[in-house]
Amino acid sequence: ELKVEQNPLFLSMQEGKNYTIYCNYSTTSDRLYWYRQDPGKSLESLFVLLSNGAVKQEGRLMASLDTKARLSTLHITAAVHDLSATYFCAVANFGNEKLTFGTGTRLTIIP
Amino acid sequence: DTAVSQTPKYLVTQMGNDKSIKCEQNLGHDTMYWYKQDSKKFLKIMFSYNNKELIINETVPNRFSPKSPDKAHLNLHINSLELGDSAVYFCASSQETARTSENEQFFGPGTRLTVL
Repeated sequence: ELKVEQNPLFLSMQEGKNYTIYCNYSTTSDRLYWYRQDPGKSLESLFVLLSNGAVKQEGRLMASLDTKARLSTLHITAAVHDLSATYFCAVANFGNEKLTFGTGTRLTIIP
Repeated sequence: DTAVSQTPKYLVTQMGNDKSIKCEQNLGHDTMYWYKQDSKKFLKIMFSYNNKELIINETVPNRFSPKSPDKAHLNLHINSLELGDSAVYFCASSQETARTSENEQFFGPGTRLTVL
């Protein structure tokens, strides 16, 4: 059974600092997704990673994928308050497109 | 223009009642999903339809019955509601093309169901 684990579950960090959220998954998967969820809101797609070594960046967020280690990271650079949210990773396979989600990381940026 | 919409946004009801949640997407996608987010924010797939055909049916009580009248709509009917059904239900849609495609899933705003 596919399992997706994220750590940390909770992260409180100061503005201006850098940090990384980790996502491990237990079996080979075709796609790795990162989503953002604000309180009481829907899920917003951030990145989709397909291949080993893939790296994508948007603003202060950068996601990478190591398929051999079954590990993805979401790196936050010089955090700002607007990045406070819960971040989920999820994996899916071609032909069975259900998303299997990680537990989520609740990120709080402190001024 | 809303891509994936759900109604209602909030639903408060008594145990034992039957209720429905509706979902519509105007993205032209051929696959739609229902996910459940529990009180601990954990998200889990419930069902998936591709071109009106049920393709994923996770271990969900048979009190939950999805229906897809056409590929733009996926509804969820719940019979005999229980306290444990309280959660946020998200609809999503995607367009699968190939193994190398991103097949991004777009989520609706969610329906917060509270069973009293």
